[in-house]
Amino acid sequence: DQQVKQNSPSLSVQEGRISILNCDYTNSMFDYFLWYKKYPAEGPTFLISISSIKDKNEDGRFTVFLNKSAKHLSLHIVPSQPGDSAVYFCAASSNAGKSTFGDGTTLTVKP
Amino acid sequence: DTAVSQTPKYLVTQMGNDKSIKCEQNLGHDTMYWYKQDSKKFLKIMFSYNNKELIINETVPNRFSPKSPDKAHLNLHINSLELGDSAVYFCASSQGTGARNYGYTFGSGTRLTVV
Repeated sequence: DQQVKQNSPSLSVQEGRISILNCDYTNSMFDYFLWYKKYPAEGPTFLISISSIKDKNEDGRFTVFLNKSAKHLSLHIVPSQPGDSAVYFCAASSNAGKSTFGDGTTLTVKP
Repeated sequence: DTAVSQTPKYLVTQMGNDKSIKCEQNLGHDTMYWYKQDSKKFLKIMFSYNNKELIINETVPNRFSPKSPDKAHLNLHINSLELGDSAVYFCASSQGTGARNYGYTFGSGTRLTVV
């Protein structure tokens, strides 16, 4: 039972444009949502999070949007930079004490 | 000064062997985790310890046994290794359980290959 899904395995965008990464979830008990970035041969690095009581959280070039009714969240990166090229994982957390991860989207930002 | 360090980084071993992966964090966090990333790239939780107490134990074969001698260390011992155990194993830590809005800090992973 895959409770967190990232349906796009890969995304390619031009430098300076917007990158939009999407994530869907099924469990209504999730109340925090997080995005992580992962470079090859490294562990995931926490990027940004959002509480289920909000619909938007912004941190610099990164903005996460949450649509609870659709059980959907997205990460916007504006403007995209070549250094943003990485695998992005969506994760969801409940008060049960664990984070459930999606299977990642590989973002490639072309110069 | 690495926040969450795992050793070894690579581990190649034969089927049937027993091996251990060590993890240490110097962040003062009280909760530590083991995640497995399989060939499909999913990160699946295996275990979590809070202040040396096991709080999450997912459906994992009992050949896998975590040990937390103190809250800064969480080791993973695997008995009778099988081909299907080949994966990347990530250790992570957080302050408090659930990593609510501040996320986990991950180690760089241990790539285990069983031949």
